[in-house]
Amino acid sequence: AQRVTQPEKLLSVFKGAPVELKCNYSYSGSPELFWYVQYSRQRLQLLLRHISRESIKGFTADLNKGETSFHLKKPFAQEEDSAMYYCALTPSNTGKLIFGQGTTLQVKP
Amino acid sequence: DADVTQTPRNRITKTGKRIMLECSQTKGHDRMYWYRQDPGLGLRLIYYSFDVKDINKGEISDGYSVSRQAQAKFSLSLESAIPNQTALYFCATSDPLTGEELFFGEGSRLTVL
Repeated sequence: AQRVTQPEKLLSVFKGAPVELKCNYSYSGSPELFWYVQYSRQRLQLLLRHISRESIKGFTADLNKGETSFHLKKPFAQEEDSAMYYCALTPSNTGKLIFGQGTTLQVKP
Repeated sequence: DADVTQTPRNRITKTGKRIMLECSQTKGHDRMYWYRQDPGLGLRLIYYSFDVKDINKGEISDGYSVSRQAQAKFSLSLESAIPNQTALYFCATSDPLTGEELFFGEGSRLTVL
C-alpha cells in the first residue's frame, strides 16, 4: 500500500537554527514527491517537488530511494517559516496525491 | 485571478442531517478532488474526478457522495451526517498538463453535533 509518514507532529526550533522535517514513504514504483505548506490563514500550497530539484524559500528536499525518504531541510530557520508542512506522494500516472500526517514547524524568536 | 471557491466556509449541523459542500473553480482544470483534514491524520482523499463523466472513490469514501455537475463544479454530500465527520474539508483542482500540483480552496469547516 502507498503511504506517507511524517513522524513528528511538532518541530520547534529557534530562529537561525537548521531545520529538517522528516518524510518517509512506502511505494514500490517510482513516486513523485512533494512538500506542501499551509501558513496561518492561507491556503495549502505547493512548496516544492522533487523532480524540479529547486530551492524554494531556502528549503530543499532530496529524494533518497534507498531510504525511501524525502526530508525537507533549511539551514537557517526564519520566523515566517512557521507553518504546517505536508509531505505528499503521487503514485505513477494515478493523478491523485497521498498526504502524510503533517508536521507543524514552530520557529521561535 | 483564477480561483477555487468553497461554500459554505463554516457549517454546524445535527446528526442525521443531509449536508452539501460545494466547490467551484475558474482555473479551467479538469481534475477535482475532495479531501478532509483531521489533526494528527493529515489530509485524506474522499473522492476525485478527472472529468465530468469520471468519479473515483478515495481512501475514505464511506458516508460521502459526490456530484460533478460541470467541469467547474464538484459537490460533496453527506447523506446523513454523523459526529465523526466533523472536520475541515478541502476541495482542490489540478491540470495534468502542468504537473500534479494541487490548487486548494480555503476549506469548509463542518461540525456535526
